[in-house]
Amino acid sequence: AQSVTQPDIHITVSEGASLELRCNYSYGATPYLFWYVQSPGQGLQLLLKYFSGDTLVQGIKGFEAEFKRSQSSFNLRKPSVHWSDAAEYFCAVMEGYSTLTFGKGTMLLVSP
Amino acid sequence: GAVVSQHPSWVICKSGTSVKIECRSLDFQATTMFWYRQFPKQSLMLMATSNEGSKATYEQGVEKDKFLINHASLTLSTLTVTSAHPEDSSFYICSARTGHQETQYFGPGTRLLVL
Repeated sequence: AQSVTQPDIHITVSEGASLELRCNYSYGATPYLFWYVQSPGQGLQLLLKYFSGDTLVQGIKGFEAEFKRSQSSFNLRKPSVHWSDAAEYFCAVMEGYSTLTFGKGTMLLVSP
Repeated sequence: GAVVSQHPSWVICKSGTSVKIECRSLDFQATTMFWYRQFPKQSLMLMATSNEGSKATYEQGVEKDKFLINHASLTLSTLTVTSAHPEDSSFYICSARTGHQETQYFGPGTRLLVL
């Protein structure tokens, strides 16, 4: 069965600093990969996705993620964090055309 | 595009009553809809998958008689929590996708509190 690991439960970053959220997956082939963001009490918003092709994927709000097959990773990055980025971030994978498997999420806190 | 709405956004009910939550795709036809449950500070747990016009497929451990799912049209799915109890209190989120596209679009969620 596929699984998704987000090793950091929460991360605190200073406003303006760079951000990297880690995501590792366990699956035999290359799954479809997603990053979603959830603000408190809200649903999930898709930040970006990777299906195939260029391993560096650009998303909304200045986020990007890089797929590294050798490391089974799909880390999310942003060069300069804004206070409005404070939220919970979920990495998710999908095997073929089936259901999403989510990681446990990483809570991002932004300090002034 | 790809907007999914949920109604109500929050609901409080008495123990033993039933509650219906609606999930609508506003600008696309959702051939498949998903219902998730999220506990505080935890990830999303898939409850069931529903395809338009057919019975929902429930995940292991989810009581199909308690969580009734109907996907009668390409833009509407409903989740009915029957005989709700305090332990059913949670945040319920739906998502939808169209055709053979892989991306799911999520609704804003419904917070249920059972007293």
